[in-house]
Amino acid sequence: DTEVTQTPKHLVMGMTNKKSLKCEQHMGHRAMYWYKQKAKKPPELMFVYSYEKLSINESVPSRFSPECPNSSLLNLHLHALQPEDSALYLCASSRLLRPDYGYTFGSGTRLTVV
Amino acid sequence: GQQVMQIPQYQHVQEGEDFTTYCNSSTTLSNIQWYKQRPGGHPVFLIQLVKSGEVKKQKRLTFQFGEAKKNSSLHITATQTTDVGTYFCAGLYGGATNKLIFGTGTLLAVQP
Repeated sequence: DTEVTQTPKHLVMGMTNKKSLKCEQHMGHRAMYWYKQKAKKPPELMFVYSYEKLSINESVPSRFSPECPNSSLLNLHLHALQPEDSALYLCASSRLLRPDYGYTFGSGTRLTVV
Repeated sequence: GQQVMQIPQYQHVQEGEDFTTYCNSSTTLSNIQWYKQRPGGHPVFLIQLVKSGEVKKQKRLTFQFGEAKKNSSLHITATQTTDVGTYFCAGLYGGATNKLIFGTGTLLAVQP
């Protein structure tokens, strides 16, 4: 299995809702990442997990809460989002914390906040 | 902070023409990686360059890493419509940061 699977593919949520994005990989990668990508922009790093521990938080607002229950799963809990948070949320994994062999990205969750 | 700039932002070519995108970092990189993102898709890893002055080829694609490890280029020979997409370089910075910073990207359009 050489894929990163993200669910759901699309999500529409109100500003008072709570929702979660899920990401799963079975490649044995020990580093996992959340990225945010706005239209026509590069992916922006949000969080890095290494061996199930949070190693980098790129000053992301607390309305985004990551969780890594085990080495194969990564969640992103969303609460009280703003319309400007609408974007493509990409999960990725890599073989090592230093991604010397490239990241494998999931197909993303397209989030719309209304 | 680290910044990775790419030029051009957009390139439109006729099928069969060559294409080059250039990537520049404000500071020295440990390595550089290249990704392709098709319209509506997600980034897909193409290649990694590690050594100063390194050149790697993948069929019609040629990747170079600068001698000072601060710049890189991707050259596509005889473009095809399947080459359409946004090409991102991504720099890995050494030290404690250990993170990949994506360049601004170049969108390639190929007219048949």
